[in-house]
Amino acid sequence: KQEVTQIPAALSVPEGENLVLNCSFTDSAIYNLQWFRQDPGKGLTSLLLIQSSQREQTSGRLNASLDKSSGRSTLYIAASQPGDSATYLCAVRDPYNQGGKLIFGQGTELSVKP
Amino acid sequence: NAGVTQTPKFQVLKTGQSMTLQCAQDMNHEYMSWYRQDPGMGLRLIHYSVGAGITDQGEVPNGYNVSRSTTEDFPLRLLSAAPSQTSVYFCASGTGSYEQYFGPGTRLTVT
Repeated sequence: KQEVTQIPAALSVPEGENLVLNCSFTDSAIYNLQWFRQDPGKGLTSLLLIQSSQREQTSGRLNASLDKSSGRSTLYIAASQPGDSATYLCAVRDPYNQGGKLIFGQGTELSVKP
Repeated sequence: NAGVTQTPKFQVLKTGQSMTLQCAQDMNHEYMSWYRQDPGMGLRLIHYSVGAGITDQGEVPNGYNVSRSTTEDFPLRLLSAAPSQTSVYFCASGTGSYEQYFGPGTRLTVT
């Protein structure tokens, strides 16, 4: 059974720091991996989608990498800002589910201090 | 585009009552799904649909029904609400590449 783990559960950094969020998964047979951001009391905002054949994706200050063989993905945030404070979730798509089922990690709660 | 919309935003039910959570998307996505989010449990799939007229169960389907009569709408029905169904419910829709987009959520409390 696929399991997704995100460590650490919480992270606090000063503004301007570059940081890395980690996501690991137990079964390398994934269809894709998606990173989301969730603000308190809000829905999930898609940040980056990496297909299983890709190694990385970039959007602005965000860069996500994927290493299927080791079961790991990282989300790199450059020059962090207080507005980046949120919970970051990674999710892998279950390749055995026709409906695009996502299996989520528990998230990393990021706080960027001014 | 409005994206994925959900109504209501908040709801309080008494045990045994029934209700329908509404979900609509205007992106012409074939894939739609319902998740619930609970502290310590993360997000779990309730039901999903791969197109109009086609639905299937996810991880935690008991106590919920769905139907998909149009591409745009995917309502979730609670048949007889229980306190264990207190949660935040998210609807999502997905593209052919399976990128998924989530609605703002419905916070449900069952007393």
